[in-house]
Amino acid sequence: GNSVTQMEGPVTLSEEAFLTINCTYTATGYPSLFWYVQYPGEGLQLLLKATKADDKGSNKGFEATYRKETTSFHLEKGSVQVSDSAVYFCALISAGGTSYGKLTFGQGTILTVHP
Amino acid sequence: DTEVTQTPKHLVMGMTNKKSLKCEQHMGHRAMYWYKQKAKKPPELMFVYSYEKLSINESVPSRFSPECPNSSLLNLHLHALQPEDSALYLCASSHYGTQETQYFGPGTRLLVL
Repeated sequence: GNSVTQMEGPVTLSEEAFLTINCTYTATGYPSLFWYVQYPGEGLQLLLKATKADDKGSNKGFEATYRKETTSFHLEKGSVQVSDSAVYFCALISAGGTSYGKLTFGQGTILTVHP
Repeated sequence: DTEVTQTPKHLVMGMTNKKSLKCEQHMGHRAMYWYKQKAKKPPELMFVYSYEKLSINESVPSRFSPECPNSSLLNLHLHALQPEDSALYLCASSHYGTQETQYFGPGTRLLVL
């Protein structure tokens, strides 16, 4: 079956530091890959996505590149802000197999950014 | 506009109560989802509706009863819940329910006493 593995958190950074959250996956076929962000007390917001190999998703200074050879989709940001403090979920949807159309999430990474 | 709305925002209910959660989207999406999220965990899929028909039920207990009255609305009827059902309930929608992006609502935070 499909699975997503995220780096364990929590991650604590100072403002303006560089952020990397690792995400690797196992899936049948050619999945679409997503990063969702959940701010305290809120639902999930789509942060970025990529639908095929070598695609780069980007939004609000965050980037992630779909690497099929390493089955990875690491999230990066060059300079984090206090307002980026949230939980980040890596996720995939597979195009085939028994998981068709279902979002598979990683466990989530809690990010805290201090001033 | 990628907005999914959910009501109520918060709900407290006793184990003998009957209540309903409501979800609405006006993006023309034909697939809608219910997820349950416990604290510090990722969302867990409960139900999927595709073209107003239930297509996936992830072995959810019958005290949760979904309903899709039309392509824009999704309800979750709750009856005889247990305290362990306390969680954030999230609704999502996508174009056709295959490999497209799912857009989430803000959720209903449910507390069962």
